[in-house]
Amino acid sequence: QKEVEQDPGPLSVPEGAIVSLNCTYSNSAFQYFMWYRQYSRKGPELLMYTYSSGNKEDGRFTAQVDKSSKYISLFIRDSQPSDSATYLCAMRGGYQKVTFGTGTKLQVIP
Amino acid sequence: SAVISQKPSRDICQRGTSLTIQCQVDSQVTMMFWYRQQPGQSLTLIATANQGSEATYESGFVIDKFPISRPNLTFSTLTVSNMSPEDSSIYLCSVEAAGGFQETQYFGPGTRLLVL
Repeated sequence: QKEVEQDPGPLSVPEGAIVSLNCTYSNSAFQYFMWYRQYSRKGPELLMYTYSSGNKEDGRFTAQVDKSSKYISLFIRDSQPSDSATYLCAMRGGYQKVTFGTGTKLQVIP
Repeated sequence: SAVISQKPSRDICQRGTSLTIQCQVDSQVTMMFWYRQQPGQSLTLIATANQGSEATYESGFVIDKFPISRPNLTFSTLTVSNMSPEDSSIYLCSVEAAGGFQETQYFGPGTRLLVL
């Protein structure tokens, strides 16, 4: 079993839809949870960072962490074609190295 | 934030040859990381490079295959040696944000390598 599981998609939604991206993990030591966005032929860029359980909102993006279920989510409201990218979840505990999910490819159709 | 550039952006190489990838950062950073990204797989850490010391390699990666240099606080190179088609991948350079929190990593644009 992989430490981090992420549905690869692709996920195709109409413009304006609410998008839900998810990851599950098995390592209970993970405390820091991140979401990266990667456009085609570009490096990943940090989108959201959350420590421990709870929600964090930044504009149209909301990150949720449920440590009891070992489940994290990224919600995108009012999705735009410019949101079309691959979204990578990532997490780590303490001073451990960062563990990445495989990424979910999202396409927002105008 | 940090701005990272990589050279070359892409290359096609013959089996058995070596390629050196350069990573340049616009600010001084303590730790630099080299990752490999293969289709359908998660980002895999190859090694961590600190200036003035030997790189630390992850399980499955060895210095003879992936020698790394870190001559100063803004530059690093990764060499992929004696290449085989299995080395075809995207190679990414990454640095940690100012403040030393690895969770806020910045990535370069990547080097796309195809080995024939």
